[in-house]
Amino acid sequence: AQKITQTQPGMFVQEKEAVTLDCTYDTSDPSYGLFWYKQPSSGEMIFLIYQGSYDQQNATEGRYSLNFQKARKSANLVISASQLGDSAMYFCAMREGMTGGGADGLTFGKGTHLIIQP
Amino acid sequence: GAGVSQSPSNKVTEKGKDVELRCDPISGHTALYWYRQSLGQGLEFLIYFQGNSAPDKSGLPSDRFSAERTGGSVSTLTIQRTQQEDSAVYLCASSFTGATGELFFGEGSRLTVL
Repeated sequence: AQKITQTQPGMFVQEKEAVTLDCTYDTSDPSYGLFWYKQPSSGEMIFLIYQGSYDQQNATEGRYSLNFQKARKSANLVISASQLGDSAMYFCAMREGMTGGGADGLTFGKGTHLIIQP
Repeated sequence: GAGVSQSPSNKVTEKGKDVELRCDPISGHTALYWYRQSLGQGLEFLIYFQGNSAPDKSGLPSDRFSAERTGGSVSTLTIQRTQQEDSAVYLCASSFTGATGELFFGEGSRLTVL
């Protein structure tokens, strides 16, 4: 079974609208971390936001927020007031275990290609 | 700069040749990872180094792939007898060992095997 599932291969959104990118995960480890990365066409991976499994509140970073629904194993990324520069691939990722680097770093989903239209 | 540095940024090679890809992590980061990203795909874990411990090689796709990390810093990923299916972007990342464990990525090395 896939550990990270992103069900939206691509999305088109009008500029200034809010966007929700879906991510569900599968783990039996009670301690884990969830990450979102942005990959523009230049190829670099840009860290956006992090949510720990024991965090009581949803993580927020500027226009990014993570809608963490632990019981549903869901960690959707919400981008408010989208901008043309938000067009990119977005990857959800998980690290199992809270301490140390982990044996395999992050497990990534297949990504969502977000295109912001003017 | 202070980020993860990878070289070469682009490499075109002929099938059957060996290639070496280099990664210089952020100073002080003890963990180093190699990932592979094929066209339009997500990231595939290859290998992980943590300090001076033996590396986790569980993601290497075949024995043609190997990696080393000298002095706990710079890492080299070597692909022997390259095949066309090895064509991909090879991404290196480093991190502190910590609770959040955010990975900082380099810009990748794009390998094309003709």
